[in-house]
Amino acid sequence: AQKITQTQPGMFVQEKEAVTLDCTYDTSDQSYGLFWYKQPSSGEMIFLIYQGSYDEQNATEGRYSLNFQKARKSANLVISASQLGDSAMYFCAMRDQTYNQGGKLIFGQGTELSVKP
Amino acid sequence: DTAVSQTPKYLVTQMGNDKSIKCEQNLGHDTMYWYKQDSKKFLKIMFSYNNKELIINETVPNRFSPKSPDKAHLNLHINSLELGDSAVYFCASSQDLSRGSSYNEQFFGPGTRLTVL
Repeated sequence: AQKITQTQPGMFVQEKEAVTLDCTYDTSDQSYGLFWYKQPSSGEMIFLIYQGSYDEQNATEGRYSLNFQKARKSANLVISASQLGDSAMYFCAMRDQTYNQGGKLIFGQGTELSVKP
Repeated sequence: DTAVSQTPKYLVTQMGNDKSIKCEQNLGHDTMYWYKQDSKKFLKIMFSYNNKELIINETVPNRFSPKSPDKAHLNLHINSLELGDSAVYFCASSQDLSRGSSYNEQFFGPGTRLTVL
């Protein structure tokens, strides 16, 4: 069965510093997709970044980058130059590629990030 | 301009009542989902529909009945509400998952906070 694990329930980072949010996954599939979503206190789910299992380069989107280590089955999110607005819950998710599973996302437990001024 | 919309945003009701949550997407996507976020913020898939056809029912009690009148709408009806149904319910949509394609970002609605008293 596929599983996503985020071992950091909460993290603090000083404004303008970089922070890494950990995510490990378990799957027997060769083809899969990994996502990070941000959920601020207002509650909406905001897509941040995507990494495909066959992508050779680590994904980057502005201040977000994904440190993808396939052999270790990890997909850590790196946020550079943290801003106060980055304070939120962050979820790592994996897309189930099996067609009859409808492309559902399997989520980790989330990491609550607090950025200190 | 809203991509995925849900109504209502808040729903407070008594145990035993029947209620519905509506979801609409204007992205032209083929696949729609319902996720439940519990009090510990854990997100779990409930249902997935592709072109109005049910693909996944993740062991959800049959008090929950999704209905997709067309591929732009996926409504959730809940009968005989229980205290444990209190949660935030998210609707999401994505393009059809084709074999070998791992991308297809899921766009989430703003969520419906259901409180059962």
